[in-house]
Parts: sequence; C-alpha cells; structure tokens
Amino acid sequence: EAGVTQFPSHSVIEKGQTVTLRCDPISGHDNLYWYRRVMGKEIKFLLHFVKESKQDESGMPNNRFLAERTGGTYSTLKVQPAELEDSGVYFCASSQDDRISYNEQFFGPGTRLTVL
Amino acid sequence: AQSVTQLDSQVPVFEEAPVELRCNYSSSVSVYLFWYVQYPNQGLQLLLKYLSGSTLVESINGFEAEFNKSQTSFHLRKPSVHISDTAEYFCAVSLRGSNYKLTFGKGTLLTVNP
Repeated sequence: EAGVTQFPSHSVIEKGQTVTLRCDPISGHDNLYWYRRVMGKEIKFLLHFVKESKQDESGMPNNRFLAERTGGTYSTLKVQPAELEDSGVYFCASSQDDRISYNEQFFGPGTRLTVL
Repeated sequence: AQSVTQLDSQVPVFEEAPVELRCNYSSSVSVYLFWYVQYPNQGLQLLLKYLSGSTLVESINGFEAEFNKSQTSFHLRKPSVHISDTAEYFCAVSLRGSNYKLTFGKGTLLTVNP
C-alpha cells in the first residue's frame, strides 16, 4: 500500500510568486492534515480536512494560504503571494475515520519550500 | 491551549550507551501523547503512543516512554542505542476527543557516534 505522497519534494521560488503544494493521502483515509515546520521552530498544525470539508483551519497563518481537497481525495496548499517567512517544510498527514477512536496519522516526506 | 517542551535540542551519545530524551507537556485537559521519529531524508514516523492504560509504552526497536501525569512528562528512553538510531525525535500531544491535531515540541536531534 502506498503511503502519503507529496509533490514537489523541493520548491525554490522568489518572493511574490505563487506556489502550489500537493498531497496525496493514503487511499480511504478521510482525515487529511497539513503541518509546517519553519527552520528552528516546532512543527505546527495548519489545517484539517474530513473528506472534502475543512474541519479546522485555525492554524492557517493568513489569507495568503489557501487549501483545498477536491472530492475528498488529494489536497493542495497554495501560497499566493509567497513571502520570505513562508519558507519551511510542509508536511501532510492522513488517517482513517477517527470518530469512534483514535487512528494514527501517517506523514508524508514533506515539501521543502524556499522563498528567496 | 496545550504546549510541548523538549528541553534538549541535541543529544550526542556513543553507541551502546543509554539515552533519555525529555518531554514535558502542558494541558488543562486530558491528552494523548506521542513520539515521532524522522530519519535523514525521510518523513515522520510514529515511534510510540500513549492513549490509555499502562503508563509504560514500548516500541518494536527497543525504545520506551513512560507517561507521568503528576510531572506532566513523557520521556523517551533506550538502554542501548545503535548508530541507526541517529535521527530527530519529536514529542507531540493531541487532545482527547478532539480532531486529533498534533501539537509538537521543537524536536531533539539524537546523534549516535561509534
């Protein structure tokens, strides 16, 4: 079974440009999470999808970030326009339906974003 | 809001030595506790978790962690480390009955030297 995949693995863009990160969760996983690690800081929660619906987007830094999950499958995270402080590693994680009990979050390898 | 503190950003040890990576958390409600590991050039992997029951939890590769409610700690230990244990280790919590979003510590880089 394929794990969580993320594309691209690395992205280098200039300030003001737009970047779109993609996450493909494990097939059948209803829950999809985005996290971000800025250099030297802790990994921080950005948002949580249940199927195609945003369950919690309390961690989104500002309105330059837009996340979507088309048809409850893959998800994209767009940053427009990118700023220097957006640099970091963006992780995606997915888990099975956890309305009854906790289910493990499986993480992707991350996308390293560098904004110059 | 909950928070996680990993006091040691880097821990260098020699092979076959014991190691303890410290984790303390703060939360006004009950939490689940986790240790994740990130090996070089890989994603995060769940190492072990405490959900309920026995306060001592073990992983398949010899690590163990003990939930101490009074000290709000969840320290990770291994009696004898290997070179292959070199990685960054993250302690994390999530609130019981929530959407299970994780709050992480800053991570501890464990370097095992020959």
